[in-house]
Amino acid sequence: GAVVSQHPSRVICKSGTSVKIECRSLDFQATTMFWYRQFPKQSLMLMATSNEGSKATYEQGVEKDKFLINHASLTLSTLTVTSAHPEDSSFYICSAIKRGVQETQYFGPGTRLLVL
Amino acid sequence: AQSVAQPEDQVNVAEGNPLTVKCTYSVSGNPYLFWYVQYPNRGLQFLLKYITGDNLVKGSYGFEAEFNKSQTSFHLKKPSALVSDSALYFCAVRAMDSNYQLIWGAGTKLIIKP
Repeated sequence: GAVVSQHPSRVICKSGTSVKIECRSLDFQATTMFWYRQFPKQSLMLMATSNEGSKATYEQGVEKDKFLINHASLTLSTLTVTSAHPEDSSFYICSAIKRGVQETQYFGPGTRLLVL
Repeated sequence: AQSVAQPEDQVNVAEGNPLTVKCTYSVSGNPYLFWYVQYPNRGLQFLLKYITGDNLVKGSYGFEAEFNKSQTSFHLKKPSALVSDSALYFCAVRAMDSNYQLIWGAGTKLIIKP
């Protein structure tokens, strides 16, 4: 089946630094990827829709200057958490849409971010 | 407003017994309905989906779900639970006019006891 990877799987950083998370579709091209945030014991919160070759669409309440998204190729989207603070600590999950006869959304394994 | 409700935070079932994880939804139009499972420290895995057709949908790992339009429900079921089914289960819906965006339930923790 289709695979979506995320790197890194875990990252610990100091407050004020920036962290980049990569999301790759390994065996298909994805013009659309999504970035989610999941708090402990809570559901996924959609942060933004990443469109290849164009600007990302952010959900209400998500700071686009804080969470920079770049979808430069059909297999890679990156989420950069700029000037990270402890409240940004969370589990970040990406997904990618595989288009075809049946379009399916595949999820990455997630990235655990801890900001000290 | 569009929403998905999973009324149970946790469901406890003895191994070998049937299990049900409840989901109700409120969306405009005819929805696409999904169930996903999340194991600890792992990504979401697709279980099954309903788009149209037979109201009873069969999916991975022996799970099935029944779409009930009048009750706006899409409960997940399995005839005989396994300890390995213990995980976090999410119900999600996508409205027909959305750009593949999913509306997620809060999740239900399923615990299967041997």
